[in-house]
Amino acid sequence: SYVLTQPPSVSVAPGKTARITCGGNNIGSKSVHWYQQKPGQAPVLVIYYDSDRPSGIPERFSGSNSGNTATLTISRVEAGDEADYYCQVWDSSSDQGVFGGGTKLTVL
Amino acid sequence: EVQLVQSGAEVKKPGESLKISCKGSGYSFTSYWIGWVRQMPGKGLEWMGIIYPGDSDTRYSPSFQGQVTISADKSISTAYLQWSSLKASDTAMYYCARPGSSGDTEYFQHWGQGTLVTVSS
Repeated sequence: SYVLTQPPSVSVAPGKTARITCGGNNIGSKSVHWYQQKPGQAPVLVIYYDSDRPSGIPERFSGSNSGNTATLTISRVEAGDEADYYCQVWDSSSDQGVFGGGTKLTVL
Repeated sequence: EVQLVQSGAEVKKPGESLKISCKGSGYSFTSYWIGWVRQMPGKGLEWMGIIYPGDSDTRYSPSFQGQVTISADKSISTAYLQWSSLKASDTAMYYCARPGSSGDTEYFQHWGQGTLVTVSS
């Protein structure tokens, strides 16, 4: 089945830009969705269809997808952005969803 | 307002059966897929399967096919996740979730609060 690869951790200073990658074979041909999960809470959708933001998600969150890598970019990082982030795609060849392993974002 | 309300935490013994629920409200239950996601302690999210309550069309991840059963009762706007014989390795938080658009399976915009299942002898 389709495999998504994320770095286990990313660290960034407050006010800087964090980039979290999600690798997959020709992932650019799929739509990528991103979730934020804080400890003890359910996941929250932050980006869908590569770059769309649900209402209520700050403009600081953006996404891109091309080739073999999708990227979630968080600008002007705040302490409250510290969380686990997961990418996800729908694999139409096997009719199932797939999550990446998750990336822990640490705000220094 | 879309709401997904899950049943409460469960503590079970290995070999026992279990059915947990997810009640949808604030939208047309039969028009949206609803899925289940597992999160084992300290681990990441795992996509388990998804059901369309309108016609009970169901898709499973191969990792969960045959291990669980996903069903829905549209008369009470409730989806279910069921085990016939629990194992200790089924200990996890289980989330139900719904896509943002009718007929879409791609992503989950609305999430339940989670049901913690603990399986221990």
